[in-house]
Amino acid sequence: EPEVTQTPSHQVTQMGQEVILRCVPISNHLYFYWYRQILGQKVEFLVSFYNNEISEKSEIFDDQFSVERPDGSNFTLKIRSTKLEDSAMYFCASTFEDSSLLDTQYFGPGTRLTVL
Amino acid sequence: AQTVTQSQPEMSVQEAETVTLSCTYDTSESDYYLFWYKQPPSRQMILVIRQEAYKQQNATENRFSVNFQKAAKSFSLKISDSQLGDAAMYFCAYRSLLSNFGNEKLTFGTGTRLTIIP
Repeated sequence: EPEVTQTPSHQVTQMGQEVILRCVPISNHLYFYWYRQILGQKVEFLVSFYNNEISEKSEIFDDQFSVERPDGSNFTLKIRSTKLEDSAMYFCASTFEDSSLLDTQYFGPGTRLTVL
Repeated sequence: AQTVTQSQPEMSVQEAETVTLSCTYDTSESDYYLFWYKQPPSRQMILVIRQEAYKQQNATENRFSVNFQKAAKSFSLKISDSQLGDAAMYFCAYRSLLSNFGNEKLTFGTGTRLTIIP
């Protein structure tokens, strides 16, 4: 069964450093998302992406964050200058919109980001 | 904006028994989707069950079923014959159906941690 994959599984970085989190969505999916979950808290929406542009972003997704789909398969989240409060689990998700089906967002296993 | 509330931070159930997890939501929309996701200790988000708001029939997936009460804006999850592998954090989630592009985000509740007692 196709699945969303994410790399790395765990990233440790120093405050102020740039990190890139990578996701490979399911191949025929059209919509892509990033969510984050600070330890012990609920999952929060960051950004959605369709047709090579951002569809919606939350107030968490400020100028330090960016997303791109560089090669038609990968979907990346970049944090330019990490802060301690960026430490969280980051989930990528994808979905294929089909009016005949109940679309569902399929999640990857997550990347645990630790900012020291 | 939509909100999702899970009022039970923790629940426990004896193995083989039945447990119900509660979820309520607030929306002014008439069409939407509701989901239950499971997050085991590995922290991966796994879809358990989904419900379309326009369907009156409650969704069922094997031992998992929902009680969807649209007027009351309630969407509870029932787990029958609980197994040790059901131990996890369970999140209720809402997805709007308003966007022309269908790329609506999920709004999650705060989760219920389910413990299975052997």
